[in-house]
Amino acid sequence: DIVMTQTPLSLSVTPGQPASISCKSSQSLLHSDGKTYLYWYLQKPGQPPQLLIYEVSNRFSGVPDRFSGSGSGTDFTLKISRVEAEDVGVYYCMQSIQLPWTFGQGTKVEIK
Amino acid sequence: EVQLLESGGGLVQPGGSLRLSCAASGFTFSSYAMSWVRQAPGKGLEWVSAISGSGGSTYYADSVKGRFTISRDNSKNTLYLQMNSLRAEDTAVYYCAKDPQAYSSSSGVDYWGQGTLVTVSS
Repeated sequence: DIVMTQTPLSLSVTPGQPASISCKSSQSLLHSDGKTYLYWYLQKPGQPPQLLIYEVSNRFSGVPDRFSGSGSGTDFTLKISRVEAEDVGVYYCMQSIQLPWTFGQGTKVEIK
Repeated sequence: EVQLLESGGGLVQPGGSLRLSCAASGFTFSSYAMSWVRQAPGKGLEWVSAISGSGGSTYYADSVKGRFTISRDNSKNTLYLQMNSLRAEDTAVYYCAKDPQAYSSSSGVDYWGQGTLVTVSS
């Protein structure tokens, strides 16, 4: 199975300040079709996960442009340019290049 | 608007069975692979199973292989998960999830349902 490792596991951020989460995979997520199957989700308290970023850097419909994704191969980053109160929750990366799909441990983001 | 509504969760004894359902709307159900992902209380996310749009291909996590069966009824826009020989470690919220790509065997998740809680306990 592909192991997804997120750092840090928790983050306390002042509103308006940037935040960054790293996700490393144990194998390359670049598929032969040219796509890289790395997703980012946010799970707000008491809610199901919601898609933020797909295929490394594509923002999903309705996702604010303060969220951005980057990376390639095995190293990926989610950045929030200016954290807002509504961004609290647990962020997960997920790979879907190979079954079983696997998730990072999650990064809990809270507001200072 | 995509909507996924799970049902069928509840309390079941170890060794028992349960069938989860997920009613889908807002998209052409038969064109998309679907998955089940679970989350144990206070824990992270674990992919459980996936099925292609036609239902002809199914995939399982090793932890549930041989005990769980995923299926779909495209005439009813409904996804199912038959869970047999349940164990305490199967206790979790089970989410129904839609694939982002039409006509893909399975490529990821864009939309999630609200989840249904399965508790396995005597």
